[in-house]
Amino acid sequence: GDSVTQMEGPVTLSEEAFLTINCTYTATGYPSLFWYVQYPGEGLQLLLKATKADDKGSNKGFEATYRKETTSFHLEKGSVQVSDSAVYFCALGSSGTYKYIFGTGTRLKVLA
Amino acid sequence: KAGVTQTPRYLIKTRGQQVTLSCSPISGHRSVSWYQQTPGQGLQFLFEYFSETQRNKGNFPGRFSGRQFSNSRSEMNVSTLELGDSALYLCASSTAGGWQETQYFGPGTRLLVL
Repeated sequence: GDSVTQMEGPVTLSEEAFLTINCTYTATGYPSLFWYVQYPGEGLQLLLKATKADDKGSNKGFEATYRKETTSFHLEKGSVQVSDSAVYFCALGSSGTYKYIFGTGTRLKVLA
Repeated sequence: KAGVTQTPRYLIKTRGQQVTLSCSPISGHRSVSWYQQTPGQGLQFLFEYFSETQRNKGNFPGRFSGRQFSNSRSEMNVSTLELGDSALYLCASSTAGGWQETQYFGPGTRLLVL
């Protein structure tokens, strides 16, 4: 079945460091890919998405490119801030089952 | 537009009791999904409703059930509560539940079972 694998956390970085959170997927058909972020005490909110191969999603300095050849959707940011501290979830929208499948989440902590 | 609202925000129950959680989606959204979030299992899909019909279901026992009303508001019910049901229950809505659509999440209901 469809699945999402993302890197284990926690990830601890200093402010202004470069961030990469890896996400790979397994899917049949043509999935959509998403990154959601969850701040403490809140629900998830969409960070960015891509609905077809080679699409790049971007928002608030974060970017991710839908790579069909490597079945990946890695999240990157060039310079993280303390306010980026949160849990990041990679997710897949399955064109076969119409289900959303989430990764396990990666906790990011940014130190001043 | 108002966001997704969930009530109550916090609940404490004892084993064997039952509980009902409520979710009001964004106006115009007809798809409502429910998720269970725990530290050990992450986010797990419970079920999705669209136009008052359950369209998708995750791998949870029959103690977990839900329904959707004609105004798209949804409720989920857990009967015969177990300690392992302690979790954050998240509701998410989208326009039609399509696999390319963004899901909009509520703040969740935190359930503690004692």
